[in-house]
Amino acid sequence: DQQVKQNSPSLSVQEGRISILNCDYTNSMFDYFLWYKKYPAEGPTFLISISSIKDKNEDGRFTVFLNKSAKHLSLHIVPSQPGDSAVYFCAARRSSGTYKYIFGTGTRLKVLA
Amino acid sequence: EAGVVQSPRYKIIEKKQPVAFWCNPISGHNTLYWYRQNLGQGPELLIRYENEEAVDDSQLPKDRFSAERLKGVDSTLKIQPAELGDSAVYLCASSPGDVETQYFGPGTRLLVL
Repeated sequence: DQQVKQNSPSLSVQEGRISILNCDYTNSMFDYFLWYKKYPAEGPTFLISISSIKDKNEDGRFTVFLNKSAKHLSLHIVPSQPGDSAVYFCAARRSSGTYKYIFGTGTRLKVLA
Repeated sequence: EAGVVQSPRYKIIEKKQPVAFWCNPISGHNTLYWYRQNLGQGPELLIRYENEEAVDDSQLPKDRFSAERLKGVDSTLKIQPAELGDSAVYLCASSPGDVETQYFGPGTRLLVL
């Protein structure tokens, strides 16, 4: 049972436009969410996080939105740059119990110059 | 500040052979994680250490996998004997505490023939 889902395996966006990556989760106990970026042959790199007490968190060109009622979060990249081309993973955990992060399957973003 | 270091970066072995992976976490990070990432999937937690104690090894296939973190710093993950299905990227991550953001190493890509 995939508790964290990224239903779009790939996404292509023109440079300068907005990239929107989506993530859905099924466990209502999840209360902390992360986005990671991964380049080929490298480990995932932390990008941005959001706690369930917020519905938005911004860091430069990156904004994460959380819709708890829909169990949905999204990552917005504005403006998109060719260097943003990578695989993006969302991850979720709950603040009690094992603190284990559950990762989605990733979305490959390609930003076209 | 040095990141998480892993070695080797690549390993090719024949099935039924043993293999070991080494991880050196970021200095001062008490929590260490081993993940396995299969092709097209997100990372899946194998084991989590708090200092030298394994606090979550529920996903570790204990019949063939073992791990240790002597002195609460470096860690080794071993597979003996390896099977074809063990081919994957093995990622090590560390964090200052068990609810903090995790920082990943570059991973070890294992191919079992």
